[in-house]
Amino acid sequence: SAVISQKPSRDICQRGTSLTIQCQVDSQVTMMFWYRQQPGQSLTLIATANQGSEATYESGFVIDKFPISRPNLTFSTLTVSNMSPEDSSIYLCSVGGQGGEQYFGPGTRLTVT
Amino acid sequence: KQEVTQIPAALSVPEGENLVLNCSFTDSAIYNLQWFRQDPGKGLTSLLLIQSSQREQTSGRLNASLDKSSGRSTLYIAASQPGDSATYLCAPGAQKLVFGQGTRLTINP
Repeated sequence: SAVISQKPSRDICQRGTSLTIQCQVDSQVTMMFWYRQQPGQSLTLIATANQGSEATYESGFVIDKFPISRPNLTFSTLTVSNMSPEDSSIYLCSVGGQGGEQYFGPGTRLTVT
Repeated sequence: KQEVTQIPAALSVPEGENLVLNCSFTDSAIYNLQWFRQDPGKGLTSLLLIQSSQREQTSGRLNASLDKSSGRSTLYIAASQPGDSATYLCAPGAQKLVFGQGTRLTINP
């Protein structure tokens, strides 16, 4: 299994500012995934982060709003830019295991005021 | 586009009951299906992974079955306990997972 940590665990931010969320994995992985869970909703995939290439974004998500970095095989960041209250969500990163299962980090709870 | 539906949306039962949670999906060309639990405000804990060549998986009091042809999976929880209270999510897919809305389960002592 993979052990995933995220920083910060939670934050309260003002409208118009940006927040960068970090995701650290205890093993090298090819792909890392970023999900968003809006209040009362299920998880939605934002993008896939590959080391050494641009992230691939899902429909409805754009790089200008959610820039992603992937500097090495154990680390990734997701930035939520120019935040509005609609960005208040839990943001989770995940990685795949060797057996095909997906593992998730503890999440970052973001509140935008 | 894969769509996932979970029934019931919420369930409240007394401790000790056996439960069945249902998951249906529209695209049967899936590679895997995974069941997770999510405690309030927390991340996801993987419960069971069923690969496409498998029909079911068991872990302790949990048993998950998969019928790809009908686009259905069920999670069976035996002898439920208050600690089982959580939201249960099913997610078909290999790496890019599509999630249902979940079943919010409450086990009453």
